[in-house]
Amino acid sequence: GGIITQTPKFLIGQEGQKLTLKCQQNFNHDTMYWYRQDSGKGLRLIYYSITENDLQKGDLSEGYDASREKKSSFSLTVTSAQKNEMAVFLCASSIAYNNNQAPLFGEGTRLSVL
Amino acid sequence: AQSVTQPDARVTVSEGASLQLRCKYSYFGTPYLFWYVQYPRQGLQLLLKYYPGDPVVQGVNGFEAEFSKSNSSFHLRKASVHWSDWAVYFCAVSPHDTNAYKVIFGKGTHLHVLP
Repeated sequence: GGIITQTPKFLIGQEGQKLTLKCQQNFNHDTMYWYRQDSGKGLRLIYYSITENDLQKGDLSEGYDASREKKSSFSLTVTSAQKNEMAVFLCASSIAYNNNQAPLFGEGTRLSVL
Repeated sequence: AQSVTQPDARVTVSEGASLQLRCKYSYFGTPYLFWYVQYPRQGLQLLLKYYPGDPVVQGVNGFEAEFSKSNSSFHLRKASVHWSDWAVYFCAVSPHDTNAYKVIFGKGTHLHVLP
């Protein structure tokens, strides 16, 4: 079976800092996603990527950059961390963007900004 | 626009009791539907998925869900809850078209299990 690995598991940053989160999958999936999870707000799509070197904005892309340099990896950058921000960032992947397969998730990166 | 509503933010049941977690969706047509579970400090794990066909879908760990087009619902059920089912449950909908990537999640239902 495959796995989605997110690093780091915990990330503490300073206000205004640029922070990078990484995600690797070995399912050989084409599509990868970044979601943000806030308490009481469910999951919101930040960026997704249909294939290597492709990037598509989700509903919450402002304040973030993403990079898909390899099929197996997808990085997310918080361009300027906001003071007292706390959230969980979840990476997911699926076979292809248009075949309605349920995305599979990593265990998340928990962000706290001081 | 498509949407998912989980009307119960929190549900408390006794161990051994039956369970129903509610999910209502909004979508023109028949969507694909999923239930996920999130245990503390973990990511989301897929419990079951509905693709057009039999309205009752079986999942892992004794969970099942029933699709109802007339009620726009996809409720999750379990006959006998175990303490290890204490988690957050998310319902999600995926459209039937080129926007299939836009899986929309509900806000989740926290399930608490009493001994």
